[in-house]
Amino acid sequence: ELVLTQSPDTLSLSPGERATLSCRASQSVTSGYLAWYQQKPGQAPRLLMYGVSNRATDIPDRFSGSGSGTDFTLTISRLEPEDFAVYYCQHSGTSYWTFGQGTKVEIK
Amino acid sequence: QVQLVESGGGLVKPGGSLRLSCAGSGFSFSDNYMTWIRQAPGKGLEWVSYISSSSSTIYYADSVKGRFTISRDNTKNSVFLQMNSLRAEDTAVYYCASQNVLLWFGELRLVDAFDIWGQGTTVTVSS
Repeated sequence: ELVLTQSPDTLSLSPGERATLSCRASQSVTSGYLAWYQQKPGQAPRLLMYGVSNRATDIPDRFSGSGSGTDFTLTISRLEPEDFAVYYCQHSGTSYWTFGQGTKVEIK
Repeated sequence: QVQLVESGGGLVKPGGSLRLSCAGSGFSFSDNYMTWIRQAPGKGLEWVSYISSSSSTIYYADSVKGRFTISRDNTKNSVFLQMNSLRAEDTAVYYCASQNVLLWFGELRLVDAFDIWGQGTTVTVSS
């Protein structure tokens, strides 16, 4: 099964700064089924990006996704106070679904 | 509005059983696959089980295979997770989640991503 490894584990940034989160797959993601989620404390995750680079409903355009093969990136162009949270990448396999371990974006 | 509501969590002893329920509304439940995803305290997300719209296809994570059973009742817009032989490591918040109609290469279609989530129900396995 494909394994997703996110880096860094924690990203310490200030509001207004750019955040770059990485997600590396143990084998090539050929299907394009790579998604990103945001989770805040005590809340369910929220879908941000699907199909690598498509923003989900009502997701602001400061969020963007890119990548191919085994390397994928979630970029937040300018951090807003509400963006400090944990972010997970996720892949849909043929008979399994897998998540990365998460990257926490915290206020510096 | 679109929503999923889980219920059935609680405290159970190791080796015990619990049945989780998840009721959907505001979307075409019978068209969507349904999944259960869990999150142990302070940990990340772990996919647990999947059931297709017609119940014809079911998958489990290796960690729960043979102990958990997923099912659904489309007449009641509900999905269930029967959990047997529970272990301490099953302690987690359990979310039900589903797909949604999104834009995919210029076409609106059900996309394989978890766009609809419940609020979660907590399962604690402890003596």
